[in-house]
Amino acid sequence: NAGVMQNPRHLVRRRGQEARLRCSPMKGHSHVYWYRQLPEEGLKFMVYLQKENIIDESGMPKERFSAEFPKEGPSILRIQQVVRGDSAAYFCASSPSGVRTYEQYFGPGTRLTVT
Amino acid sequence: KQEVTQIPAALSVPEGENLVLNCSFTDSAIYNLQWFRQDPGKGLTSLLLIQSSQREQTSGRLNASLDKSSGRSTLYIAASQPGDSATYLCAVRPQAAGNKLTFGGGTRVLVKP
Repeated sequence: NAGVMQNPRHLVRRRGQEARLRCSPMKGHSHVYWYRQLPEEGLKFMVYLQKENIIDESGMPKERFSAEFPKEGPSILRIQQVVRGDSAAYFCASSPSGVRTYEQYFGPGTRLTVT
Repeated sequence: KQEVTQIPAALSVPEGENLVLNCSFTDSAIYNLQWFRQDPGKGLTSLLLIQSSQREQTSGRLNASLDKSSGRSTLYIAASQPGDSATYLCAVRPQAAGNKLTFGGGTRVLVKP
């Protein structure tokens, strides 16, 4: 059973471009979470999604950021018109449904660098 | 608003010494607390998860305690090894509906051979 997969692992974008980060949850997991780790800071929650639904987006910046988890395919975190301050490591986690839904398994992260 | 603090931010010890890592949180209404390990450039590996009704959890050389009323958890690593060098993060999950984790800033550990 493969773990949580994220791609790309490293992404370089120029200011103003769009960044698309992908997350494939563990097999059988229907809950996905995105966290951001700014340089020298801890991880901060961004958004929690289930298939086709956003459950909690209280940590998402109001502009330029969006997330989806379609019925088929990976979850996508999209950042439009990137700025230098978006440079960070973005981690995805997934969890199963039911009583073990609190067990989040993390992917290796995507390191975004904005030049 | 829940805030999680980890002290110290960095720790350097000689091999063989026991490690004591501290985590404090401001809102005691938590569902559980989890300790993670993060290696440079890598993702997070879950080490121990303590439910709010538990006082401690143990796995091998690792032992984590939880005192919910005082808002504290401690991770003990016995007989440290160079391979224990990493950043250790604690995170709490709220009792309220929702499943987001609130993380501390981490403790960067270096175990010198």
